[in-house]
This record gives sequence, structure tokens and C-alpha cells, in this order.
Amino acid sequence: DADVTQTPRNRITKTGKRIMLECSQTKGHDRMYWYRQDPGLGLRLIYYSFDVKDINKGEISDGYSVSRQAQAKFSLSLESAIPNQTALYFCATRNGVNTEAFFGQGTRLTVV
Amino acid sequence: AQSVTQLDSHVSVSEGTPVLLRCNYSSSYSPSLFWYVQHPNKGLQLLLKYTSAATLVKGINGFEAEFKKSETSFHLTKPSAHMSDAAEYFCVVRAGYSTLTFGKGTMLLVSP
Repeated sequence: DADVTQTPRNRITKTGKRIMLECSQTKGHDRMYWYRQDPGLGLRLIYYSFDVKDINKGEISDGYSVSRQAQAKFSLSLESAIPNQTALYFCATRNGVNTEAFFGQGTRLTVV
Repeated sequence: AQSVTQLDSHVSVSEGTPVLLRCNYSSSYSPSLFWYVQHPNKGLQLLLKYTSAATLVKGINGFEAEFKKSETSFHLTKPSAHMSDAAEYFCVVRAGYSTLTFGKGTMLLVSP
């Protein structure tokens, strides 16, 4: 089983719908992140959490919200999806200051 | 503040020839630097990382990178490209207690 699991892997939704992307990890890491990948733009940070009671906005948080339900679970919600939120979304975890991030397999979201 | 610039959006090489993917960074603190690879329809995999130890870092699959503080660079190299190296590569910087900042990616194309 993957250390960082994202569900769903693919989703098509309609404009205006609410959608939740889920992430769970078995690595025991305290830090969790949500990124968005668009062609030619790399990965951009949406939200991050250093522990259950700590939630922080990233560089592109508008239109998104998150919930850290437990140390192992971090969900990303689009309250009212719009077409320019069509992208590949990645969840990641880290543990400590000088460590690398571990990524899930990604969720491909299409808003029509 | 921190930023990272990948100098080439696409690099094309022939199988068996050297690979050079260029990355420059900007950071207010001593940085940690990473290279990740993303194969088509896959998640991100860590190739190598620099965290203030040896300036020449060796990674997986024959890749290596050299941290040059005077040039603020962290270029990725491989002596001989293989077809399986075709993928997108991301240079990533982290400084201080900040989050990870990604470059926009370099697509490596390998021809027979």
C-alpha cells in the first residue's frame, strides 16, 4: 500500500458543485500539504498544516478550504468548483525541517 | 523569501549522451535543495537532496547535482541518458522554516 493515498484518483464535476479531495498517510509525519499542478507552472502550494491544530494558507488558497481531521488525514475542499480549478492535485507529507516531501499519486480534477 | 528558476522548459538529448538540467535558486537562508522526477501519469519521486553536507550529491538512477553557493545553482547531471529518463524534472528549494517552493519544471526528451 502507498504511504500517501489520495482519493479519488480522477474526478469530473460540474461548475458550482462542492467537492472534497482526501489524503491519508501512514508515514506518521506531522506536516501535510496540498499542491496544485498546472502545465508549465510547476506545483503551487494551496494549504499546509504542521499539526492538527495548525492550518496555513499557501500562495493560491482562494476558492479552497481544508480540514485536518487527524494527524494522518488532510482533506481539500472546493466549495463551488469553477473550470479554472481543473488541474492535477497532489497531497504531500514531511517530517522535520531538512527533510524531503513524500507525495501521493495525485488526483486529476476536471471541472466542466 | 525564496524562489527557484529552472532555466530550460525543455531539454532534448540522444540516448547515451550527457544530461544537464539547470536550476538557480534565491534564498535568504542556507537552503535545502531537492530534485524530483515525474514520469507521465505518475506522482513525484525524489531523485536527490542537498541539506548542507557534501556539495556534490549523488541520487538514484545515476543522477547527481552540485550545490554551488557562489553561483546560487544546483544543476542536475547524468553522464549517459537512458530512454527511461524521459520525464519532467522539478528543482525545489526550502529555506529556514518555510515550505517547499517548486520550479516550473524541465521536460527531458530522450531520442533513440
